[in-house]
Amino acid sequence: NAGVMQNPRHLVRRRGQEARLRCSPMKGHSHVYWYRQLPEEGLKFMVYLQKENIIDESGMPKERFSAEFPKEGPSILRIQQVVRGDSAAYFCASSPPDSYQPQHFGDGTRLSIL
Amino acid sequence: DAKTTQPPSMDCAEGRAANLPCNHSTISGNEYVYWYRQIHSQGPQYIIHGLKNNETNEMASLIITEDRKSSTLILPHATLRDTAVYYCIVRVGNRDDKIIFGKGTRLHILP
Repeated sequence: NAGVMQNPRHLVRRRGQEARLRCSPMKGHSHVYWYRQLPEEGLKFMVYLQKENIIDESGMPKERFSAEFPKEGPSILRIQQVVRGDSAAYFCASSPPDSYQPQHFGDGTRLSIL
Repeated sequence: DAKTTQPPSMDCAEGRAANLPCNHSTISGNEYVYWYRQIHSQGPQYIIHGLKNNETNEMASLIITEDRKSSTLILPHATLRDTAVYYCIVRVGNRDDKIIFGKGTRLHILP
């Protein structure tokens, strides 16, 4: 069984550009979570989505960041007008509808801002 | 804030059992204990979870005290590949919810 797939693994952007990070959940998983890990820091929750719905975006910065999980296709985390402080590892996790089941993580996208 | 307390770091000799403690004195009756680990540059890896009974799988054993205020993750025969940061997390079992990560325990396996 394929795990959570994230791409690209590494992404380099210049300040002011847009970054798009993709996450394909595990087969049978309808819940997707995004987390961010700044250099030398812990993982912080950003947003939780189900198909076509944002359930909890309490950890998402109010500006420049958005997330979607369309009916078809991967979940997308979009960062507009990137700044140096957006440099981080972004991890996606997925879980099945049974909520006591654990979340499984992808290997992340490492975003570097020049 | 994370609802768990873990030692910041631990050492264990290769081949020995690694016992990682976790305190969760404010755990509620419907909260499970989950363990994850993060090996350098990789995504967090799920290890095991439990409610009140001890659990064992191919990776580890989880021992939860009777009052559920603490638990211990046991890696029975540690190898160098077990060097990682280990996170103990409490999370409501019947609700889809974010994971709140603490600082975890950095486990060093010594050759």
